[in-house]
Order: sequence, then C-alpha cells, then structure tokens
Amino acid sequence: DTAVSQTPKYLVTQMGNDKSIKCEQNLGHDTMYWYKQDSKKFLKIMFSYNNKELIINETVPNRFSPKSPDKAHLNLHINSLELGDSAVYFCASSQGILAGKQETQYFGPGTRLLVL
Amino acid sequence: GIQVEQSPPDLILQEGANSTLRCNFSDSVNNLQWFHQNPWGQLINLFYIPSGTKQNGRLSATTVATERYSLLYISSSQTTDSGVYFCAVAPSYSGGGADGLTFGKGTHLIIQP
Repeated sequence: DTAVSQTPKYLVTQMGNDKSIKCEQNLGHDTMYWYKQDSKKFLKIMFSYNNKELIINETVPNRFSPKSPDKAHLNLHINSLELGDSAVYFCASSQGILAGKQETQYFGPGTRLLVL
Repeated sequence: GIQVEQSPPDLILQEGANSTLRCNFSDSVNNLQWFHQNPWGQLINLFYIPSGTKQNGRLSATTVATERYSLLYISSSQTTDSGVYFCAVAPSYSGGGADGLTFGKGTHLIIQP
C-alpha cells in the first residue's frame, strides 16, 4: 500500500493556467506538508497544515493555496501559473509532535510540473 | 532560520568503498532525517535520528545533538547507492506546531562499477 500518494505524476501546462495537485496519505497522520524542489534540487517547505493550524512559508506567493477536504488529503492549488513555478512538488505527512519531538515525515513520489 | 550545511557536495567512489557524509546545523533540533533521492527522483527515508546512533544494513547514522552535527556512513558501496543524500532538520524552537523540515543542499554520490 502506498503511504503518501500524489496525482498527477507529471503536469505540463501553459503560463496563466490554474492547476491542482492532489495528495493523499493513508498513515492516519495529523499533519501534512508541501515542499518544492527547484532545478538545482534544493528542497524548500511551502506549507505545513494540521486541523488546527496552517503555517505558510512567507516566501510562497499567494497564487499557491493548500486546501484540505479532510485529514487524509491536502491538495495544492496554483493560480496563474508562471514559468518559475516549474519544479517538482512533494507532499509529505507526519504524526506531528510526540513527546516533544517532531515525528518522521514521509514523502510522496513527487509531481513534476512544467510550465510552458 | 536554522542553517544546514552538508559536505562534501560531490563524491565519486568505486564500488565497495566506504564513505562518510556530514551534516552541520546551526541550532538545536527536535527532528533530523536523512534521505536518499534516487536517480528517478524518489525521496527515500533512511533515518529519523535527532540524536544517537542507528544502523540499517550497510548504512548507519550518528547525531551528536550537543555539537550540532550528524554523520551518515555507507559501507561497501553499491552502484544502487548513487544519488543525492539529503539531511533535513526541524529546529527545537518551532514549538508546538509541526514545522516543515529545512533541507541541506545535499551530497551527490556517484558509485562507479
């Protein structure tokens, strides 16, 4: 069984379009995340979200918005796509905080977005 | 925010060699993970190790939290070990919320047959 899954795996689209990437986890975790990996392979947190709190990295443009229909899903909506949005987007999940320690984060397979 | 530095940035070894990858971080952490990103782009969890020592087959890791560094050891390297190894941390001051991980820039490892 896949623990953290993402769809689609590949997404090619035109500048200016609006697109969504879906993420689902079957681990029963409370917290989910979105990360962006750029062309130089640098990984950076975009959002972390549980049922109480959304933490947004201040460098993320407001064209990006996470939407969580339930605890097992965190989708990423991107409006008015730009060339610079081309990257690999990873979803992750964890149990959050346990005994003062942040628990292990498990990553999905990634969605490769290409904006033309 | 917390800084994460990994060394070396690149490493080329022959099959069968041993290697040590280092991760330095600038503040106390309550999460430290090592990942292997394979040539297909998958991020594979290797260790969750905010402190102490763990071993898994040919891989082992040690984190000395008081000195703010972690080491990943790979013994008897195989070509399938090739890829990028990332260290990622969450700072202790992140409080009650589950903050995202801050990643280092990675060590690109190539194992030649």
